[in-house]
Amino acid sequence: AQSVSQHNHHVILSEAASLELGCNYSYGGTVNLFWYVQYPGQHLQLLLKYFSGDPLVKGIKGFEAEFIKSKFSFNLRKPSVQWSDTAEYFCAVNAGSQGNLIFGKGTKLSVKP
Amino acid sequence: DTGVSQDPRHKITKRGQNVTFRCDPISEHNRLYWYRQTLGQGPEFLTYFQNEAQLEKSRLLSDRFSAERPKGSFSTLEIQRTEQGDSAMYLCASGREIETQYFGPGTRLLVL
Repeated sequence: AQSVSQHNHHVILSEAASLELGCNYSYGGTVNLFWYVQYPGQHLQLLLKYFSGDPLVKGIKGFEAEFIKSKFSFNLRKPSVQWSDTAEYFCAVNAGSQGNLIFGKGTKLSVKP
Repeated sequence: DTGVSQDPRHKITKRGQNVTFRCDPISEHNRLYWYRQTLGQGPEFLTYFQNEAQLEKSRLLSDRFSAERPKGSFSTLEIQRTEQGDSAMYLCASGREIETQYFGPGTRLLVL
């Protein structure tokens, strides 16, 4: 069965620290990859996505992610986090011709001011 | 606001009662998805529609759950004979074909 793994359950950083959140998926075919963010009290919002082309994708608010096909990974990065980045981050995969997204369990990011 | 809307936002019910949730997608989106999210988990897929046709249902969708999208616009998700295990956030998303899915605020269900 297809699955998405997010290895970090809770990450705590100080402002200006660099961020990398891991995401690995299990599916051997073509995938579309997403990172969604859920700020406290708000609904899921798209941060960035990869469908094809340049494996390094840039999203909103200075986030980027790199698709490494050989490692089945799509890690999220930000060079310098801010207190306002405190949120829960979900990696999701849309595999092949399936309509639905398969989500990881999420990583809660807490940024200390 | 032209985003996905869901109603109600919160629902408290007693075990054994039926509940119905509504989702209004972004108007030009032909696909509508239902997910369920419990504490500490990511959203889990329940079912999706393309226009009015229900194309896929998850094994999570027991026979107590039914979803409709009668005119290819809004959708309803009904849970019959609710159980405490049904307590969760029910999320609706919409999109065009295999593209980005835009999520609504969710309906939080508590079954007592």
